[in-house]
Amino acid sequence: DVVMTQTPVSLSVSLGGQVSISCRSSQSLVHNNGNTYLSWYLQKPGQSPQLLIYKVSNRFSGISDRFSGSGSGTDFTLKISRVEPDDLGVYYCGQGTQYPYTFGAGTKLELK
Amino acid sequence: QVTLKESGPGILQPSQTLSLTCTFSGFSLSTYGMGVGWIRQPSGKGLEWLANIWWDDDKYYNPSLKNRLTISKDTSNNQAFLKITNVDTADTATYYCARSWYFDFWGPGTMVTVSS
Repeated sequence: DVVMTQTPVSLSVSLGGQVSISCRSSQSLVHNNGNTYLSWYLQKPGQSPQLLIYKVSNRFSGISDRFSGSGSGTDFTLKISRVEPDDLGVYYCGQGTQYPYTFGAGTKLELK
Repeated sequence: QVTLKESGPGILQPSQTLSLTCTFSGFSLSTYGMGVGWIRQPSGKGLEWLANIWWDDDKYYNPSLKNRLTISKDTSNNQAFLKITNVDTADTATYYCARSWYFDFWGPGTMVTVSS
């Protein structure tokens, strides 16, 4: 199985600040078709996860451009700029390149 | 507008079979490229992918649950199903269904408690 390692486990940020979350995979996430199926999700308290970013750097419909994804191969980053109260929650990376699909353990974003 | 909603028994006893239903709208599982996945989350813990079913009836399972999983679909009624046999307290979780490829839309989840 592909192991997804997220760091840090938790993050404190001031409103308006910027944060980065790292996600590393134990194997390359480049699919045979050339695509890299690495996604980022945010789970707000008491809610289902919601898709933010897919295929490394593509923002899902309606997602603010304050969220950006980057990376390649086994090393990926989610950056959030100008943090707002609605950004707080747990962020997960997930891979859909290889079965079984796997997720990182999550990064909790809290207010400083 | 894409929506999904999970339904399940709420509570069941160890060794029973868990049957879950995902009822969705806004897309069809007969459309090329469409799929539905099941993911679960024990309270306060992370996400675990369980299974996926695709428009062409291809099915994939998480081997960590060995042969306990069965996924199926009813295209006419826009539903997907998941069965987990021989449940244990470790299967207590919120179960989500989500649209694939990217799990772009999720249901609100259904809580399942396994307890004697």
